[in-house]
Amino acid sequence: LAKTTQPISMDSYEGQEVNITCSHNNIATNDYITWYQQFPSQGPRFIIQGYKTKVTNEVASLFIPADRKSSTLSLPRVSLSDTAVYYCLVHNNNDMRFGAGTRLTVKP
Amino acid sequence: GAVVSQHPSRVICKSGTSVKIECRSLDFQATTMFWYRQFPKQSLMLMATSNEGSKATYEQGVEKDKFLINHASLTLSTLTVTSAHPEDSSFYICSARGPLDGELFFGEGSRLTVL
Repeated sequence: LAKTTQPISMDSYEGQEVNITCSHNNIATNDYITWYQQFPSQGPRFIIQGYKTKVTNEVASLFIPADRKSSTLSLPRVSLSDTAVYYCLVHNNNDMRFGAGTRLTVKP
Repeated sequence: GAVVSQHPSRVICKSGTSVKIECRSLDFQATTMFWYRQFPKQSLMLMATSNEGSKATYEQGVEKDKFLINHASLTLSTLTVTSAHPEDSSFYICSARGPLDGELFFGEGSRLTVL
C-alpha cells in the first residue's frame, strides 16, 4: 500500500481556491487516487477519483502529474461549509486504509 | 448515486453486553465491504475487510472474536461488538465498494457508547 502524506491542517478564506497536495511516492501501477471529505460524526463522502492527468467534476478538480507520485485536490471558491477533513487514498480497490487527512478550516 | 445505510446511528449499552451494527447497500450489490473505527480527532482505522460468503479479513491488532463480522448477503454486512467495554466506545463506519470503477461509498456511521 502506498503511504500518503498530506498537510495536517490548512486555513483559507471564503471565495478562495484551495489546493491540497498529497504525496504518494510508492504508488503502484494499478493504484487509483481518490479523495474524500468528512464532516464531524459523519461518514466520508466521495469527492473525486483519478488515475492520471486531470479530472474535473462539479465540485473539484484533481491534478495528477505524469509520475503519479503526488496529487492535488483543487477546491474552487470555498465556502464556510467546506470546512472539513479531506483524505487522500491511494488504493487498488483491495486495500482501503486512510491516512491522517488534512483539516481544512474556511474562515469568513 | 449509490447509498450505504448504517443502523443504528447511535447506541448506548452496558459493559459486557453485545451490540450489532448493520451496514446495507441500498441500491447496489456489494461483494466487498469495509469496517472502520474512528476515535475523536483521528483518522479512520480499517478494522476488517468483509467479503460476501467468506470470512472477513481482519487487520493486525483487531480481535476477530471480539468484533464479529458477517457478510451473508450481497447487500448486508454486520459488525457485532461482543462483551463491550468502555474502551470500545467509538465511531464505527462501514463502506461498500460500488459497481463502477471501485468507488467506495460510506455509511453514515454508528456511534457506540459503552457505559
